[in-house]
Amino acid sequence: EAQVTQNPRYLITVTGKKLTVTCSQNMNHEYMSWYRQDPGLGLRQIYYSMNVEVTDKGDVPEGYKVSRKEKRNFPLILESPSPNQTSLYFCASSPYGQGSGANVLTFGAGSRLTVL
Amino acid sequence: GEDVEQSLFLSVREGDSSVINCTYTDSSSTYLYWYKQEPGAGLQLLTYIFSNMDMKQDQRLTVLLNKKDKHLSLRIADTQTGDSAIYFCAESIDNQGGKLIFGQGTELSVKP
Repeated sequence: EAQVTQNPRYLITVTGKKLTVTCSQNMNHEYMSWYRQDPGLGLRQIYYSMNVEVTDKGDVPEGYKVSRKEKRNFPLILESPSPNQTSLYFCASSPYGQGSGANVLTFGAGSRLTVL
Repeated sequence: GEDVEQSLFLSVREGDSSVINCTYTDSSSTYLYWYKQEPGAGLQLLTYIFSNMDMKQDQRLTVLLNKKDKHLSLRIADTQTGDSAIYFCAESIDNQGGKLIFGQGTELSVKP
């Protein structure tokens, strides 16, 4: 089944404790992206990647890092989480740049992170 | 800057039509999208429209685009309780690396 898999789905952590949210897709997509969803704000892009070893900042990159060493994986790293990073996080991928003008994203199920 | 606005809530009766509206500010949008988010799940693409079209129909869904007014709408015919969800509109701009800019989402509640 074509899908984007995120882990963990739920996490409660404390301020300053480094964490990584993994994201993997099995559709051979070149484009991958991380969004955070907050009430009343919709989805805001954190980082995106057009291909292996190519990453760019989105609208809210502060406090986050990403890497794209392999095509299928795009982990989101919070080096020193803070309470304002409590949110619902979504990873998404698409074939954008592989011949399609539209960026039709396939989303993961989401990771709900709470930072105390 | 780019901005996409939606009303936050809509309530309809089962069997009625629902119309969810969206406005956007960037006139260089190339594609506009509608996504659906069910509780506890990620977003699923419903449909999208190229900016040089003004209408697209897909079964119970009709998308209308008024490019002059920068207004996008999604009409769901014969709304069912299973249509209860949050609906997001989004725009993408081709020279910005495919970035999608999302609205706040409209929570549709369908009452029996």
